[in-house]
Amino acid sequence: DIQMTQSPSSVSASVGDRVTITCRASQGISSWLAWYQQKPGKAPKLLIYAASSLQSGVPSRFSGSGSGTDFTLTISSLQPEDFATYYCQQANSFPPVFGGGTKVEIK
Amino acid sequence: QVQLVQSGAEVKKPGASVKVSCKASGYTFTSYYMHWVRQAPGQGLEWMGIINPSGGSTSYAQKFQGRVTMTRDTSTSTVYMELSSLRSEDTAVYYCARGLRLGELSLGPWGQGTLVTVSS
Repeated sequence: DIQMTQSPSSVSASVGDRVTITCRASQGISSWLAWYQQKPGKAPKLLIYAASSLQSGVPSRFSGSGSGTDFTLTISSLQPEDFATYYCQQANSFPPVFGGGTKVEIK
Repeated sequence: QVQLVQSGAEVKKPGASVKVSCKASGYTFTSYYMHWVRQAPGQGLEWMGIINPSGGSTSYAQKFQGRVTMTRDTSTSTVYMELSSLRSEDTAVYYCARGLRLGELSLGPWGQGTLVTVSS
């Protein structure tokens, strides 16, 4: 199975900050990577698919980049509603493994 | 709009089975694969398997092989996930999630989740 490693596991930031989360795959997955946001007690929500495509309805302050094994999710200007846990997922092959998550907390 | 509505919370004893349902609406049921993902308390997301609602074919994560069965009822646009031989470690929220597009493993709409508690 392909392993997905996210870093950091948590980050403290203030409203307006730029936040970057990284995700590394144990082998190349081309651009088959998705990012999800999960708030406490809620189901995950798709933010980015195919590494850099913004899902419909997701604010443009979210962006994704990367290919092969190294990927990033960037929030350009953190908003109060963005405090949540973020997961990457490889969408290249079975099983579609998730990363361990990154919790974005209020500083 | 696309909606996935799951069945309610369950409490089961160790060794029992649980069957969770996920009713889809707002799209052509047989045109998108459905996944099941679980999340233990305070933990990350774990992919369990996938079902093709069109033909009923399935693929399961190796960890759950032999214990999980995914089925569908096209007449009611509902998929089911049954997990047997339950143990305390199976206590988790179970989600159904529809594939974003046919043949793609990104997960678009998600159900609201079903809490399954395994306790003696």
